[in-house]
Amino acid sequence: DSGVTQTPKHLITATGQRVTLRCSPRSGDLSVYWYQQSLDQGLQFLIQYYNGEERAKGNILERFSAQQFPDLHSELNLSSLELGDSALYFCASSVGDRGPYEQYFGPGTRLTVT
Amino acid sequence: EDQVTQSPEALRLQEGESSSLNCSYTVSGLRGLFWYRQDPGKGPEFLFTLYSAGEEKEKERLKATLTKKESFLHITAPKPEDSATYLCAVQARSSNTGKLIFGQGTTLQVKP
Repeated sequence: DSGVTQTPKHLITATGQRVTLRCSPRSGDLSVYWYQQSLDQGLQFLIQYYNGEERAKGNILERFSAQQFPDLHSELNLSSLELGDSALYFCASSVGDRGPYEQYFGPGTRLTVT
Repeated sequence: EDQVTQSPEALRLQEGESSSLNCSYTVSGLRGLFWYRQDPGKGPEFLFTLYSAGEEKEKERLKATLTKKESFLHITAPKPEDSATYLCAVQARSSNTGKLIFGQGTTLQVKP
């Protein structure tokens, strides 16, 4: 158990819908990262927050957005969902901002768009 | 462009048959190289961090090494429970963030 929690574990929704994925980092960690894992793309970095502020953006679509709240939990919002958004979404956390700090991953949310 | 390539894509070993997994990287300044283990449908599990060429780290049957262009994960006398996908990732100085760039992984199967 990494100490990072993610909810829900599974999510099945229809195209065009909007969903919210939630992540709680390990106790004491200030950075939260979101990654997307699909069969053909591997693990792709989406976005990083550090202590409530956005620190880095990767290949994140405009339909996706995220935020980190004062209690340090984070939410990833995915809207206007398409079939291609079906993937595993992982949250990771680390103690600091740039590092190199180990990132500890949560169990993931499996999103299926039908 | 920062890039990580892992080989082979898949590896089948008999129990006890030692081997190595390769991770080649191209980054504009390496801040750190990370190895993770991932079981099907689960989150990656942290194994090692390597910071500079010549560094080595060990954990049970696993040993990670680092050169200026690649890293190896050596598996000595593997057991079936070592079967998993092993991921390599780098953090580049150029990004100035904690972003990790992952390779595609090597899927290891160890047969009893």
